[in-house]
Amino acid sequence: GNSVTQMEGPVTLSEEAFLTINCTYTATGYPSLFWYVQYPGEGLQLLLKATKADDKGSNKGFEATYRKETTSFHLEKGSVQVSDSAVYFCARNSGYALNFGKGTSLLVTP
Amino acid sequence: DAGITQSPRYKITETGRQVTLMCHQTWSHSYMFWYRQDLGHGLRLIYYSAAADITDKGEVPDGYVVSRSKTENFPLTLESATRSQTSVYFCASGIAGETQYFGPGTRLLVL
Repeated sequence: GNSVTQMEGPVTLSEEAFLTINCTYTATGYPSLFWYVQYPGEGLQLLLKATKADDKGSNKGFEATYRKETTSFHLEKGSVQVSDSAVYFCARNSGYALNFGKGTSLLVTP
Repeated sequence: DAGITQSPRYKITETGRQVTLMCHQTWSHSYMFWYRQDLGHGLRLIYYSAAADITDKGEVPDGYVVSRSKTENFPLTLESATRSQTSVYFCASGIAGETQYFGPGTRLLVL
């Protein structure tokens, strides 16, 4: 099926550290790819997206590049803040809906 | 206010009772979705709707019923709640296969 696999957490980093959260997708069709973020007690918010190969999505210092050759869409941030502590979900479209990874919990400590 | 809202935000019920979770969006998005979020499973699609009066099953539809008489509303009903339906439920709206916008969630506990 049209699935997404992301690294399991939790990921714990110190403030200002570099962040990478890996995400790979099944190479069925030409999907759009998404990263969503969920802060404690809230719903999911779109963080960034990319719609075709080699596109780079970016927002709030986060970036992800659509890599068709490796079927990947890894999330990166150069310097994380305590306020980035949240759960991050990678997703791809599948027909009318989105298929989500299981989420990666990030904790950033001062 | 514009956006997507869910009610109630918290609900405790007993096994066997009927429960309805409400979802309302003000963007006039044609597509609406219901997901449940459980530890170890991420988000799983329960039902979705392409337009008023058009609904279809997702990955985990058993025990749930939906309706969509108006574009802006998409209620989810648990006809006879079970403990396994204890979860956080999210409604979303959007364009087919593209960005979805999520509500704040309903936390449901079935005793």
